Amino acid sequence: EVQLLESGGGLVQPGGSLRLSCAASGFTFSNYAMTWVRQAPGKGLEWVSSISGSTYYADSGKGRFTISRDNSKNTLYLQMNSLRAEDTAVYYCAKELGATSQHYYDYWGQGTLVTVSS
Amino acid sequence: SSELTQDPAVSVALRQTVRITCQGDSLRNYYASWYQQKPGQAPVLVIYGKNNRPSGIPDRFSGSSSGNTASLTITGAQAEDEADYYCNSRDSSGNLLVVFGGGTKLTVL
Repeated sequence: EVQLLESGGGLVQPGGSLRLSCAASGFTFSNYAMTWVRQAPGKGLEWVSSISGSTYYADSGKGRFTISRDNSKNTLYLQMNSLRAEDTAVYYCAKELGATSQHYYDYWGQGTLVTVSS
Repeated sequence: SSELTQDPAVSVALRQTVRITCQGDSLRNYYASWYQQKPGQAPVLVIYGKNNRPSGIPDRFSGSSSGNTASLTITGAQAEDEADYYCNSRDSSGNLLVVFGGGTKLTVL
């Protein structure tokens, strides 16, 4: 059974940093592209970043967020720096259908809440 | 603002057919995928590619595309289909970035 478990969310002050983790199990992690998607309270879904052989970022996080993965630990990461109030959201990690980033996300974690506030 | 446009809300009578649409220039070149999200839950993929359903998704869900518009059709809507539905696809920049539509709240009457 595919499982994705996010962690690392919490309350952080504006300008601060957080590193989110997503522990994957139930599939061969290294064979699949992975993605972060966020959802601000009461709002819609917003794509944040994807990683396959390359990395891709939404404009909202470019230069502040870094996506990475450790295939030996079956874990996806999102390093978030210079956080702003508008980054407040539930952050989901999602598994892609294939090895390349194709915007087809067949499994999602339950999300971790990031709150940026003073 | 989203490069993919969805109607904010749609309603359908129980067991009737409803179409939820998603418009955007990138849909002329890329297929959309569709996600169902119920309150307090993570999204679930219901349609991807030309018209593919993941395992476990009922066959009352189908997808289609024409020009700059992608559609999700639910044939014989059930009460449990009441949810938010999001489309996504590539953006129109050509840089392999991804964009979601703003979402459609489906109410089953």
